[in-house]
Amino acid sequence: EPEVTQTPSHQVTQMGQEVILRCVPISNHLYFYWYRQILGQKVEFLVSFYNNEISEKSEIFDDQFSVERPDGSNFTLKIRSTKLEDSAMYFCASRGLAGQFFGPGTRLTVL
Amino acid sequence: EDKVVQSPLSLVVHEGDTVTLNCSYEVTNFRSLLWYKQEKKAPTFLFMLTSSGIEKKSGRLSSILDKKELSSILNITATQTGDSAIYLCAVGRETSGSRLTFGEGTQLTVNP
Repeated sequence: EPEVTQTPSHQVTQMGQEVILRCVPISNHLYFYWYRQILGQKVEFLVSFYNNEISEKSEIFDDQFSVERPDGSNFTLKIRSTKLEDSAMYFCASRGLAGQFFGPGTRLTVL
Repeated sequence: EDKVVQSPLSLVVHEGDTVTLNCSYEVTNFRSLLWYKQEKKAPTFLFMLTSSGIEKKSGRLSSILDKKELSSILNITATQTGDSAIYLCAVGRETSGSRLTFGEGTQLTVNP
């Protein structure tokens, strides 16, 4: 069964460093998303992406964040200068007719 | 602002019991309501509901949407220890992006 994959599973970085989180959505899906979940809190929407552009973004998704689909399969989230409060689980999701499916997540730890 | 409220926040039952989890929502331009199971990491998709009154079923799990009451329930019959997880309810808008807004989840613990 097709699934969303994400790499790396865990990323540790120093405050101020740039990180890139990678995702491979389900191949015939057209809508892609990034969500995050801070430990013990709700899953929060960051951004949605369709037809090679951002279709919606939340207040969290400020200038420090960007998304890209550099080729036909990968979908990336870049955080330019990480802060301590960016430490969270980051989930990629893709949407098809049956629903929105999540990847296994990348745990980002900012020290 | 979209809002999703789940109840109860936590529930402890014995194997074999039947449980009902509740989700109520306030959302602009409702499109769909989704249920997920979250064990250690990622939310695993269970159901997507778009029409009122039509039950969706998968094994021992079933769910139904009531658009008049702006709510949904998730039923699990004959619970097993493997059902222990956080159950998340999320609603999607009728927008081009169809972002999901999540509730806090119900932590279900099934004891042997």
